[in-house]
Parts: sequence; structure tokens; C-alpha cells
Amino acid sequence: AQKITQTQPGMFVQEKEAVTLDCTYDTSDPSYGLFWYKQPSSGEMIFLIYQGSYDQQNATEGRYSLNFQKARKSANLVISASQLGDSAMYFCAMREGGGGADGLTFGKGTHLIIQP
Amino acid sequence: NAGVTQTPKFQVLKTGQSMTLQCAQDMNHNSMYWYRQDPGMGLRLIYYSASEGTTDKGEVPNGYNVSRLNKREFSLRLESAAPSQTSVYFCASHRGREEKLFFGSGTQLSVL
Repeated sequence: AQKITQTQPGMFVQEKEAVTLDCTYDTSDPSYGLFWYKQPSSGEMIFLIYQGSYDQQNATEGRYSLNFQKARKSANLVISASQLGDSAMYFCAMREGGGGADGLTFGKGTHLIIQP
Repeated sequence: NAGVTQTPKFQVLKTGQSMTLQCAQDMNHNSMYWYRQDPGMGLRLIYYSASEGTTDKGEVPNGYNVSRLNKREFSLRLESAAPSQTSVYFCASHRGREEKLFFGSGTQLSVL
């Protein structure tokens, strides 16, 4: 089973609208972290936002917020007032707290296109 | 402050050739990682090093070897390149488990 599922391969959104990118995760570990990264066409990986499994409040960073619903195992990224520069690939990722590899497990990504 | 530096940025190999991808970070991070990115697959972990002197396999280690030369440097070697290794390779590092990964700019590798 996939640990990170992003069900929207591509999205088209009008400029200035809010965007929600879906992410569901699968883990039995009580301690984990959830990350969102942006990858523009230039290829670099840009960190956007982090949510820890024990954090009581949803994370926010400027126009980005993470809608964390622990019981549903979802960690959707919300971008308010989208801009043309938000067009990019977006990846949801998880780090689990147990032993073994402590790198991030990534979803397959959502390609977001903002239209003027 | 350079962060994570990868070389080369682009490489074309013939099947069977070998090469080493270099990665260095100047942030005094303990943990370093190598990922590959293929279209529609996201990023998949190849190998990681939790600290100097240790390396471990990730999700897709076959066909690769790594060396953690010192705290700064973590190299990825393809001993006998195959077309299936055509991909974009990212090196990354982080300071601690709750911290974000810092990524290099990537290496685009084509194996013909």
C-alpha cells in the first residue's frame, strides 16, 4: 500500500482563487511528520510547510496552510489567493518516527497550473 | 551559504559505463540522502546516511553504491549504468528528524 497518496495528478485553477491539494497518508506510527514541497519547472525542491503528528494547531506559512485531519489521515495543502508563480509540481511527504530509514516518503505529486 | 551542492548537473552515459555523483553540504548536518525522481513516481529513496561512517539502503538501492566520505560529502556511484537508471537524482540533508530536508539542485542523468 502506498504510504502517501495524492489523488490529483493535475489541477487547473483561476488566478486569485484558493487551491486545496489533497494528501492522505498511511502509518501506524504515532509519531510522524508531514511536509509539503513545491517543484517549479526549474527543478529545485522548495520546502513549504511542516506539520508534526502531535501538533495541536494546523501549520501556516504565509499563504500556505495545512489542513491536518488526523483521524482521517489527511494533510491537505491550502494555498490562498493563488498566483501565476504558484504553477508547479507539489509533493506531499511523510517522515515516520520509528526505526529504519528516516528519510521522507513522497507522494507522486500534483501538477498545479494557475490560469490568468 | 551554498547549502547542498551536487555535481554534475547533467550527464549522458552509455550502457555499462560507470560514474559517481558528488554531493556536499556545508550546514553541518548529520543525515544525508540520495533520491531519484522519475515522471509520475515522485521521489524515491536510494540510500541514506544517518551519520558519518554509516550508510543504509532505501527503497530502490539496486545498481547503486554510496560512500559517506566525511560529514560533508556523500557520493552515489553507478558501477554499470543501465537505461533504467535514466532519472533526475537529488541529494538532500537535514539537521534533525523534525527538520525539513534541504535539497541540492539535482543531476539529470541519461543512460543510452
